[in-house]
Amino acid sequence: EAQVTQNPRYLITVTGKKLTVTCSQNMNHEYMSWYRQDPGLGLRQIYYSMNVEVTDKGDVPEGYKVSRKEKRNFPLILESPSPNQTSLYFCASSPTMAKNIQYFGAGTRLSVL
Amino acid sequence: QKEVEQNSGPLSVPEGAIASLNCTYSDRGSQSFFWYRQYSGKSPELIMSIYSNGDKEDGRFTAQLNKASQYVSLLIRDSQPSDSATYLCAVNAAADDKIIFGKGTRLHILP
Repeated sequence: EAQVTQNPRYLITVTGKKLTVTCSQNMNHEYMSWYRQDPGLGLRQIYYSMNVEVTDKGDVPEGYKVSRKEKRNFPLILESPSPNQTSLYFCASSPTMAKNIQYFGAGTRLSVL
Repeated sequence: QKEVEQNSGPLSVPEGAIASLNCTYSDRGSQSFFWYRQYSGKSPELIMSIYSNGDKEDGRFTAQLNKASQYVSLLIRDSQPSDSATYLCAVNAAADDKIIFGKGTRLHILP
């Protein structure tokens, strides 16, 4: 089954404790992206990747890191989480030629205390 | 700052009527336009994509694009209660790999 898998689905952590949210897709898509969704602010792009070893900042990259060492994986790293990073996070992927037809993961709800 | 604007709603439409959702964008260089549907607590799913001026129909859904006026709309015919959701407009410029989403319009279909 074609899918984008995020883990964990729910995470509660404390300020400053490094965490990683994993994202994996099995569709051989080249484009992958991370978003955060907050009430009243909608979906905002954090980082995106056009292909392996190619990443770029979206609109809200501060406080986040990503890596793309393999085509299928695109982890989101919070080196020192802060309460303002409490949010619902979505990973998405798409074929390059239709890069906006995105397939979203189920989401990760993160709470930073 | 590139922007995509949507009326947040809620937009209430009687069952069986036509629901009309609108979106405006600021970047004249935008080339790709998308409508996603998001049920509460779920991830967005693509409904329609449109790339050129005019109308594009898919079942009960019609996307309309007017690049000169910088707006894109989504019409839902014969609205069903299952259409109740938040509808997100997304825009991408050909020269930019970023994707900008509007904040979404909440649609409520009244039985």
